[in-house]
Amino acid sequence: QQQVKQSPQSLIVQKGGISIINCAYENTAFDYFPWYQQFPGKGPALLIAIRPDVSEKKEGRFTISFNKSAKQFSLHIMDSQPGDSATYFCAASTGTYKYIFGTGTRLKVLA
Amino acid sequence: DAGVIQSPRHEVTEMGQEVTLRCKPISGHNSLFWYRQTMMRGLELLIYFNNNVPIDDSGMPEDRFSAKMPNASFSTLKIQPSEPRDSAVYFCASRRTGTSNTGELFFGEGSRLTVL
Repeated sequence: QQQVKQSPQSLIVQKGGISIINCAYENTAFDYFPWYQQFPGKGPALLIAIRPDVSEKKEGRFTISFNKSAKQFSLHIMDSQPGDSATYFCAASTGTYKYIFGTGTRLKVLA
Repeated sequence: DAGVIQSPRHEVTEMGQEVTLRCKPISGHNSLFWYRQTMMRGLELLIYFNNNVPIDDSGMPEDRFSAKMPNASFSTLKIQPSEPRDSAVYFCASRRTGTSNTGELFFGEGSRLTVL
């Protein structure tokens, strides 16, 4: 109930390609779905987030697609760049309560 | 804003020793989280404080782990006695909850613990 399942575990993409990472959740009480980006030696930092009242949110090259009925959401990175190489975590939160994180996806963008 | 500040950044200790990790949340944030990150298990929530009160400590592995938040600007995570399997990166994070809540969780840079 409290898990957020993330896939794939790792991803290699050519520069300019599209990176897609998927997450699924069970608890319908979750009402906030962020994606965090983590570089080696650093803490995770918020990249983009969505609430379940919209199906898509775009910020620059990053887009979240949200499917409430399927309880799934995904991150799309368009025109992927080597600087995007990092670990990406999806998460789900219930308002004022705790965050549950996915297991992470290690993305490598080849130059 | 200075961000979430953690110390020490790196700690190497021997099995059986006491370890204390420290965290200063962002001023004005009333929720504080301790996470542990390992390759095998990812980011695990250990404990969550709201307004300095522990709300959920179900993620604390065992009695060797304890956490305190004596005031709004300071929290500690203590491991006593430490074991090699405690080796991980420990993150502190904070957020503001309430009517102006954006939901964003702000992480510190982590404390990398190695127990020999």
